[in-house]
Amino acid sequence: DAKTTQPPSMDCAEGRAANLPCNHSTISGNEYVYWYRQIHSQGPQYIIHGLKNNETNEMASLIITEDRKSSTLILPHATLRDTAVYYCIVRAYTGANSKLTFGKGITLSVRP
Amino acid sequence: NAGVTQTPKFQVLKTGQSMTLQCAQDMNHEYMSWYRQDPGMGLRLIHYSVGAGITDQGEVPNGYNVSRSTTEDFPLRLLSAAPSQTSVYFCASSRDRGWNSPLHFGNGTRLTVT
Repeated sequence: DAKTTQPPSMDCAEGRAANLPCNHSTISGNEYVYWYRQIHSQGPQYIIHGLKNNETNEMASLIITEDRKSSTLILPHATLRDTAVYYCIVRAYTGANSKLTFGKGITLSVRP
Repeated sequence: NAGVTQTPKFQVLKTGQSMTLQCAQDMNHEYMSWYRQDPGMGLRLIHYSVGAGITDQGEVPNGYNVSRSTTEDFPLRLLSAAPSQTSVYFCASSRDRGWNSPLHFGNGTRLTVT
């Protein structure tokens, strides 16, 4: 499985854009990049995913570099409710399993 | 559309007791799975199912049983609880197990075994 590397934490001001980086230098050609977040002790929440093109939905934008070795999750107007742990994951399969290795993620703190 | 619903939210068991953690989804998803989350360990896959009547083991299946008699439900059974099974358990589902199919998680069951 491709591994991902994220800084442990970052903060941003409420109303500003939050840009969360992720490195996945060993990603293979048919592996998708997924972003989830976990608020307090709730279940992980799906945010967005992509293969090689940039993606946008109602929650966020995902920018994937042309070589696919890194990506950035953008929350365009961060709010206090966006304070959470954000996980960047490469979804791979081992045999018939769907393994999701979450790692430690990045803790985003949104300040008033 | 409730998504993935897990019950109970909290449970305390004594060593050796049995119980079933319930998971139901209303999205007609084919794929369902159970994870446990422990401090410093991330999320680890226990069991999964690619459709009704089909189940298979994940990374940490010992001590747990599952069955999938309907598309909607995927219960997780602990036959004889042990303190090592103290954890937060998450059920997740996706449309299928394709790489372009996001997982949707429930809000978890917090289990303590004394």
